[in-house]
Parts: sequence; C-alpha cells; structure tokens
Amino acid sequence: GEDVEQSLFLSVREGDSSVINCTYTDSSSTYLYWYKQEPGAGLQLLTYIFSNMDMKQDQRLTVLLNKKDKHLSLRIADTQTGDSAIYFCAESIGNNRLAFGKGNQVVVIP
Amino acid sequence: DAGVIQSPRHEVTEMGQEVTLRCKPISGHDYLFWYRQTMMRGLELLIYFNNNVPIDDSGMPEDRFSAKMPNASFSTLKIQPSEPRDSAVYFCASSRTGGSYNEQFFGPGTRLTVL
Repeated sequence: GEDVEQSLFLSVREGDSSVINCTYTDSSSTYLYWYKQEPGAGLQLLTYIFSNMDMKQDQRLTVLLNKKDKHLSLRIADTQTGDSAIYFCAESIGNNRLAFGKGNQVVVIP
Repeated sequence: DAGVIQSPRHEVTEMGQEVTLRCKPISGHDYLFWYRQTMMRGLELLIYFNNNVPIDDSGMPEDRFSAKMPNASFSTLKIQPSEPRDSAVYFCASSRTGGSYNEQFFGPGTRLTVL
C-alpha cells in the first residue's frame, strides 16, 4: 500500500533555512505535494512538483525530488514566524486521492 | 468561493451519543473526502465520494461510522454510538476531476471530543 514517511519535529531560528524530508512508496505518483497546516486550521496546498521534475523553486520554497530514492524535500529559506506550522508531504495515488505523511511540526524561534 | 465549509467547528459529547458532522464542498467539485487526524495516527482517509457515490470506505474504522452524500453540495459523517477513542479532528476535502494537479481543498475541520 501507499506509505509516506516523515520525521516529526523541527525547530529553527528565525532567518535560518529549514529543511523537511519525506519518503514515499508509489513510484507511479504523478504529483507530489507539500501541504501546510496552521494551528486550528485545515491543510492548505503550499507547493507541488510534477514527477518528471527534479526541482521546483517558488519564492522562499525549494522542492527537491529524488525519484530513484523516492525522496522529497522542502527547503524554506529565511524562515519566518509565520512558517510555524505542520507540514505534510503527500503523493497522488489515483482517483484524485492523496496519501499523506504524518506531518512534520516546524517551530520557528524568534 | 467560500471554500469547503464544515460544521460544527467543535463538538463535545458524551460516550454513547450520536454525532453528525457536516460538510459542504466547493461548488463544481465532484470528489469529496473525509479524513480523521490524530496525534498517534496522523491523517487518515476514512471514505471518499465521486459524483455523490461512495467509492472506497475501507478507511472507516467500524460499523459505528457511516457517511452519506445525498447531493453534490452536502455530505455527513455520522458516528453512532460515539466512543472516547473517536476524539479527533475530522476534515472534509473536495477536488474536481481534471483540476489543476489534483489539488484537494480542505475545510477548517471539526474538533470532536467524546467524554
């Protein structure tokens, strides 16, 4: 079955870069995603990458995809207090379904 | 668009009571998903619908859980009878066939506490 693995917790100082990692299992996934969940809110799509890409840059966000190792990472440059949230990695698994990791809590220290 | 709407936002009930969670998906979306989020298990897909028809309910924990989608703009998730281990945040999400990169749009969630 589909299984997306993430580490659970990361603390980072404001202004530093933060990197969150994820491994997934379905090599046929068309898209891979990073969702952000702020306290008391639902998940919101932060960024995504098409499976035939290796890297995607979107302002302070850099997504790296290693298809050989089924590894996805999200780098947030110049981390700000508003980046404190839970970040979920997800992969598309057909029929508009997504398989989510357990999430990685990022705490930004001022 | 108002986004996915869920009600209630918070629900506190006693063990054995019936609980009904409600969801209004984004207009025009033909997929609707119910998820449960707990610290221990993360985000679990409970059931999803396509064009109001349940496609896969294999994630529903047990027979105490049921979900319906009587029309394209409304779905319910019912727990009867509720138990303390059902305490979690329940999310509804919707998406549309052929939508950009299969994005799912989440509601704000219902935080359920069963005493």
